[in-house]
Amino acid sequence: DTEVTQTPKHLVMGMTNKKSLKCEQHMGHRAMYWYKQKAKKPPELMFVYSYEKLSINESVPSRFSPECPNSSLLNLHLHALQPEDSALYLCASSQAAPGQGTYEQYFGPGTRLTVT
Amino acid sequence: SQELEQSPQSLIVQEGKNLTINCTSSKTLYGLYWYKQKYGEGLIFLMMLQKGGEEKSHEKITAKLDEKKQQSSLHITASQPSHAGIYLCGAAGTYKYIFGTGTRLKVLA
Repeated sequence: DTEVTQTPKHLVMGMTNKKSLKCEQHMGHRAMYWYKQKAKKPPELMFVYSYEKLSINESVPSRFSPECPNSSLLNLHLHALQPEDSALYLCASSQAAPGQGTYEQYFGPGTRLTVT
Repeated sequence: SQELEQSPQSLIVQEGKNLTINCTSSKTLYGLYWYKQKYGEGLIFLMMLQKGGEEKSHEKITAKLDEKKQQSSLHITASQPSHAGIYLCGAAGTYKYIFGTGTRLKVLA
């Protein structure tokens, strides 16, 4: 099973709201990722968790807060977002992070986020 | 930093035609990945190539990595409407994965 699940599929939130995106994988992967993708652009890395520890934060604004409760789950907490944060948010996982071997990533279906 | 350039940026072909998408890296590739993405959805992993000269096939899609490991091609034989989407090449950098600029494929029935 190479499935990564994400919920919700769509999310509309106001600039004062607090919401969370969830991601889950049961492949035993030890690296998990959050990406942001704007229309007609490739995915842009936000965060990398390796063995449940945050290993990379690509200078993401603090209104995005990642959390990895266990090796199968990854959350992205959202607070006080701006309209320009509207995008497709993708979660991915791989057996290990780059630098620890050559492994493919598996992606979830994404959450389409609209900030009003 | 490593960059991946894809060509063409977009492609419209008639159903049944063959096509090729290229991915060129600014540095030696130690793992090259091909993904397909339908609009608004996640990326679907297609194939991974690691060795110079390696070639892999899945159904009607064949991917190759050149001997110098700086260029890869994705070839689709007898295209079908189901092949339509965005094709992205990817590579594992020092600490993160990077992606090519993407090729949008449209197949006319």
